Amino acid sequence: QVRLQESGPGLIKPSQTLSLTCSVSGGSISSGGYFWTWIRQLPGRGLEWIGNIDYSGSTHYNPSLKNRVTISIDTFAHQFYLRLNSVTAADTAVYFCTREMETMVEAVIIRAWFDPWGQGTRVIVSS
Amino acid sequence: DIVMTQSPDSLPVSLGERATLNCKSSQSLLNSFNNKNYLAWYQQKPGQPPKLLIYWASTRDSGVPGRFSGSGSGTDFTLTISSLQAEDVAVYYCQQYYGDPRTFGQGTRLEIK
Repeated sequence: QVRLQESGPGLIKPSQTLSLTCSVSGGSISSGGYFWTWIRQLPGRGLEWIGNIDYSGSTHYNPSLKNRVTISIDTFAHQFYLRLNSVTAADTAVYFCTREMETMVEAVIIRAWFDPWGQGTRVIVSS
Repeated sequence: DIVMTQSPDSLPVSLGERATLNCKSSQSLLNSFNNKNYLAWYQQKPGQPPKLLIYWASTRDSGVPGRFSGSGSGTDFTLTISSLQAEDVAVYYCQQYYGDPRTFGQGTRLEIK
């Protein structure tokens, strides 16, 4: 049973770079069929998809964050990472890592739902 | 971006009664080639991450109780809980995986009346 666990600083100053790690256990991060994903939950509920990466390093990013985001992976360490540059108070959120399933339908591979999720790590941006 | 809109924001329901939650997308989530709707539902309890309930709009994930069902097609979808249990109190989100960026509804908070 795959488990994901986020780690990183709980408090960061404006203009700094946020770095988070997601550790994957109970399954292989280097097998195909998944995209390893970051999602954040902004205050007041809203869930925002940040982006993802697969075992080969192929990425997809949310255009609203693309200029500030880098997602990377270390398959040997069973971890993937989020870097978010130039943070502001608007980046205050709970950050989740999750696994996006790839599924095949009519011989076409489709990126699909998210399961499972890590517990999340709260990040506050404040001076 | 595909905008997902859920209604109502909050829904009080008595124990044992039916709960009906709605989700509307700004464009169709139905792929005409495979006849599948690219929509998932999640349940989030306080202090916990979202949990997958339903995918392809109507397929229950493994272990999800039978009282949960999903329906709808195109742009209009419904999550129904046939008989509300106390443990179902949570916020429920719909999410589209038809296009990037992936987007979620704002959530419906399900409460006990």
